[in-house]
Amino acid sequence: IAGITQAPTSQILAAGRRMTLRCTQDMRHNAMYWYRQDLGLGLRLIHYSNTAGTTGKGEVPDGYSVSRANTDDFPLTLASAVPSQTSVYFCASSVLAGTVDEQFFGPGTRLTVL
Amino acid sequence: GENVEQHPSTLSVQEGDSAVIKCTYSDSASNYFPWYKQELGKGPQLIIDIRSNVGEKKDQRIAVTLNKTAKHFSLHITETQPEDSAVYFCAAPQQGGGNKLTFGTGTQLKVEL
Repeated sequence: IAGITQAPTSQILAAGRRMTLRCTQDMRHNAMYWYRQDLGLGLRLIHYSNTAGTTGKGEVPDGYSVSRANTDDFPLTLASAVPSQTSVYFCASSVLAGTVDEQFFGPGTRLTVL
Repeated sequence: GENVEQHPSTLSVQEGDSAVIKCTYSDSASNYFPWYKQELGKGPQLIIDIRSNVGEKKDQRIAVTLNKTAKHFSLHITETQPEDSAVYFCAAPQQGGGNKLTFGTGTQLKVEL
């Protein structure tokens, strides 16, 4: 059982380039989330999805977009990367979206935008 | 929205001593308070959580206490071991329902031999 996988593990990207971070879960969880982690700021929610076909904005959604075509996949796209998007990105999932419960995190993607 | 503050940002203890990390929250309607542990190079993992209908929950060497009146909750680790060294995050539900969380800024715990 893999749980949540993220790809790539790390990436160096030129400013202005487009980048998609991939996230796949095999637990059939309904809800999925994208967070960014920055030193001193903790984890901040970028976007979330309560179920396939729906998405919502988190605390810091600007510059990012997501899609949820099916239950398993939840890619995060940076349309035109900027240096302030340098961060570690974590994807997470939970069984249900309607009630507060455990979130399961992937291993993260370290992104550097130059 | 929900505001979560976490202290201290770093904590160093001797092996065998206890460690306490504290968080405050702003939304009196919040009813779920998880603690996550993040080891170096890995994603966070839930270690314990508490719901607002109880004041304390314990799981072996870790415990969480909740004071709803004061709007704060704490993580207690007893008999610390080197493998407890990690970053710990508290969290509380964001307003608007669902399972969205607001995380604290994290505490780097170092257990020294």
